[in-house]
Amino acid sequence: GAGVSQSPSNKVTEKGKDVELRCDPISGHTALYWYRQSLGQGLEFLIYFQGNSAPDKSGLPSDRFSAERTGGSVSTLTIQRTQQEDSAVYLCASSSSGSFRGTEAFFGQGTRLTVV
Amino acid sequence: RKEVEQDPGPFNVPEGATVAFNCTYSNSASQSFFWYRQDCRKEPKLLMSVYSSGNEDGRFTAQLNRASQYISLLIRDSKLSDSATYLCVVNDGATNKLIFGTGTLLAVQP
Repeated sequence: GAGVSQSPSNKVTEKGKDVELRCDPISGHTALYWYRQSLGQGLEFLIYFQGNSAPDKSGLPSDRFSAERTGGSVSTLTIQRTQQEDSAVYLCASSSSGSFRGTEAFFGQGTRLTVV
Repeated sequence: RKEVEQDPGPFNVPEGATVAFNCTYSNSASQSFFWYRQDCRKEPKLLMSVYSSGNEDGRFTAQLNRASQYISLLIRDSKLSDSATYLCVVNDGATNKLIFGTGTLLAVQP
C-alpha cells in the first residue's frame, strides 16, 4: 500500500481480555515503531524494530505488552489482560532508516483502544 | 534529563504573528533532526527536516545549533490553520531510532 496501515481503527474490549493490534508498514521500510498516546498527552515510545537487530523494548510499560515483527514486515502488538489504563491510541510508524543517517518516519492512522 | 525537551506551551498568538519554538537534545551523536506537526486526533506528519545550514519552507524556517544541541522552528505570518502540536524529533546516533519530544501546542487566535 501507499502508506502505513493499521487495523482495527477502533477496538473496544472488556477489561481482562487480550487484544492484538496490527501494523502493515510501508514496503521496504526496515524500521518500525509502536507508540501510545493518551488524550492530550505526548507520544509514549513502546518498541522499535530495526532490520534483523534485537528490538528495543525499553518502552513497554509491563510484561502484559509484547510485539512481534514477522518477516521484517507486518507487526503485531499484543496486550494481555487489558486494563482501563491501557485505553489510548496506539500508533505505528515505519522508516527506511538503515544507514548512518536516518530518514523520517511515516505514521499510520492509529488504533483507538477502549477498555471497558 | 529527557533525550528531547520541548516547552509544552500552549503558545497563544494572534493571526499574523511570528512565533518560535526551541527544542534541546541530549545525544551529541544525533545526526537527523525533524519537525513534525500533529493535528488534534490525527497522526503526526512530517513538517520539515532540519539541516545543518538551516532551511526554509515558505513561512517556516528551521535551524540547528549543534554546539548548543538545540533546534528551532520559526513560523512567520501565523495562520489559523497553523494551530497544532509541533513535535521535535532527533535520531539516536547509535541505533538510528527516532526520538520524539512531547510537543509544543500552538493556538493561533483570530
